[in-house]
Amino acid sequence: GAGVSQSPSNKVTEKGKDVELRCDPISGHTALYWYRQSLGQGLEFLIYFQGNSAPDKSGLPSDRFSAERTGGSVSTLTIQRTQQEDSAVYLCASSLTGEGSPLHFGNGTRLTVT
Amino acid sequence: QKEVEQNSGPLSVPEGAIASLNCTYSDRGSQSFFWYRQYSGKSPELIMSIYSNGDKEDGRFTAQLNKASQYVSLLIRDSQPSDSATYLCAVTSGSARQLTFGSGTQLTVLP
Repeated sequence: GAGVSQSPSNKVTEKGKDVELRCDPISGHTALYWYRQSLGQGLEFLIYFQGNSAPDKSGLPSDRFSAERTGGSVSTLTIQRTQQEDSAVYLCASSLTGEGSPLHFGNGTRLTVT
Repeated sequence: QKEVEQNSGPLSVPEGAIASLNCTYSDRGSQSFFWYRQYSGKSPELIMSIYSNGDKEDGRFTAQLNKASQYVSLLIRDSQPSDSATYLCAVTSGSARQLTFGSGTQLTVLP
């Protein structure tokens, strides 16, 4: 595809349910990032994948959050037992090399936990 | 101390004026610096990247980097109402394993 694709674009879920958010990066990009943006706030780093290296999970806020990247391409961010404070826009981005190359963002998934 | 700091604004400038956006960062090992523009309800889009000290110009935009002062800025010349957005400064950490964003400066260009 021409850009980073995220699905779903919107997700409403009940507190306590699990959700999966998907990201399809730009073809050929080796690095993939997940960020979270709460209303009116900046971007909060969650996790970073680079090639076959171990992911940098230092931004994950709790053990309810996990992510995987299969085959070096598509990534899934999973939030277990969702809480209301998890409500935010989850942004995925990819970059060509990850070593200082610019990030290209998807349109995000707006998650609302009721 | 936040790793990347920006004045949150809001910053208002009249149409045609120069808008100046500033950013400071704490990691002396940072090597890559970016400015992103984010319209309300949209994702960030890359405007400028800069990697070495000095100025880099692209159309109406000029990025300025001073690593000794740990300072990066964005100048927008001939500001247009369509430039009204939040501008995010982003800096790689010393290990270049993640990009850290400032909280953004909201710019409004008044017609």
